Amino acid sequence: SSELTQDPVLSVALGQTIRITCQGDSLRSYRASWYQQKPGQAPVLVLYGENNRPSGIPDRFSGSTSASTTSLTITATQAEDEAVYYCASRDNSGNHPYVFGSGTKVTVL
Amino acid sequence: QVQLQQWGAGLLKSAETLSLTCTVYGGSLSDYYWTWIRQPPGKGLEWLGESSHSGVTDYNPSLKTRVTISVDKSKNQFSLRLTSVTAADTAVYYCARTSKTAIAADGKGVVWLDPWGQGSLVTVSS
Repeated sequence: SSELTQDPVLSVALGQTIRITCQGDSLRSYRASWYQQKPGQAPVLVLYGENNRPSGIPDRFSGSTSASTTSLTITATQAEDEAVYYCASRDNSGNHPYVFGSGTKVTVL
Repeated sequence: QVQLQQWGAGLLKSAETLSLTCTVYGGSLSDYYWTWIRQPPGKGLEWLGESSHSGVTDYNPSLKTRVTISVDKSKNQFSLRLTSVTAADTAVYYCARTSKTAIAADGKGVVWLDPWGQGSLVTVSS
């Protein structure tokens, strides 16, 4: 199928660790990329591939993958990490060339 | 550092054609795919389609009959056209650069979208 499933809402205490997961059949063939979107702003790439962060993204953002599930982990979460996080990947199902997950709203308590 | 700046009409009536353009600053169109994404108010991201620098395109099947993405290498721009719009097309539209597919150590492919344009709110009224 051409869907990526994410938990809609997660919360984390300031300074703690949070793991955001993304599941889908396309992840058996493609690694995901992760995007952070704050209110009123365009999404920003935070992680892609095995564990690659674009310039300027703090190393508290990391990733892991197994079979059809991928995860974005934020360690020592900061207040500015409160945002919606989307996973995305190519899809070789033939139905949908590229697909985004439904997004996870992360609240920092 | 590559930057994308987009513009286009923000208010349309039903059945009109949406037209947006994205200019690439600080880099060329070569070696990448050029992509449009949209986000209805309060909802998630929807991939609309992409074009290579040479004009090879791929589209979201749900919009395929209405969407066209084109590139203009002479102006370092790429554009989105969406015909016969309705209120359901009301959204913030983003342009973005898509990487070529890289192969990770486990053999899986990976692509990423970076950078993104600032977004353009397009409202369709009936």
